[in-house]
Amino acid sequence: SQELEQSPQSLIVQEGKNLTINCTSSKTLYGLYWYKQKYGEGLIFLMMLQKGGEEKSHEKITAKLDEKKQQSSLHITASQPSHAGIYLCGARINYGQNFVFGPGTRLSVLP
Amino acid sequence: EAGVAQSPRYKIIEKRQSVAFWCNPISGHATLYWYQQILGQGPKLLIQFQNNGVVDDSQLPKDRFSAERLKGVDSTLKIQPAKLEDSAVYLCASSVLRDRGSYNEQFFGPGTRLTVL
Repeated sequence: SQELEQSPQSLIVQEGKNLTINCTSSKTLYGLYWYKQKYGEGLIFLMMLQKGGEEKSHEKITAKLDEKKQQSSLHITASQPSHAGIYLCGARINYGQNFVFGPGTRLSVLP
Repeated sequence: EAGVAQSPRYKIIEKRQSVAFWCNPISGHATLYWYQQILGQGPKLLIQFQNNGVVDDSQLPKDRFSAERLKGVDSTLKIQPAKLEDSAVYLCASSVLRDRGSYNEQFFGPGTRLTVL
C-alpha cells in the first residue's frame, strides 16, 4: 500500500476555476514537498513545508501542512492551462528515512 | 547552472536484453538518487548515493539491477536481463549533502523512458 495517498486521482476543471489536491499520510511527515511533472519530463519543485500549520504560496498556488503534520493540501486559484500536469507530493515519513512519493494527481485544465 | 543530465532519453529493448542509463548530477551535489516511475504511479526510490557510497538500496532488485557512482559524480544504472515489468521512466535526481532528518531539495533530470518488448 502507498505510504502517501493523494486525492483526487485525476481532476478536470474549466479554466479560471479553483481546485484543491490533498496528500495524506498515516504517519508523521518530516518535510512535505510538492512537485509538478509534465508528460515526458522530470519533476519540477514547487514548494516545501516543514512545520505543522505552515502555509506557503507561489503565484497562484498555495500549500498547507496541517497541525498534526499528517496531511497537506495544494490549492490553485483561477486555474490556467499552464497548470495542467501531474502533481506529486513527497515526504520523509519517519525521521531520517528516505523519500517516498504519492501516486500523483493528474490535472487537466480546459480552455 | 546546468541541471541534472540523463541519457538516453528513450530506449526500447527486448526482454532478456541489457540496458544502461547514465546520469550527470548538478555540480557539487553529493547526493544522487535513482527512481523508477511506472506509468500512473509516483516515483519509487531504487538507490541513493552519498558521494560514491550507497546510502540506501533496499528497493533495488539486486538480482538484475546494479548501479555505481565510481568517482562520486556521474552514475550509471544497469538492468541485466530486462523484464517486461521494467518498462518505466527512470529518473535521476541530485541534492546537496543530506543530513539525517534534513530537508534538502532534490533536482530531477528529464528521465529515461524504457520500453521492454
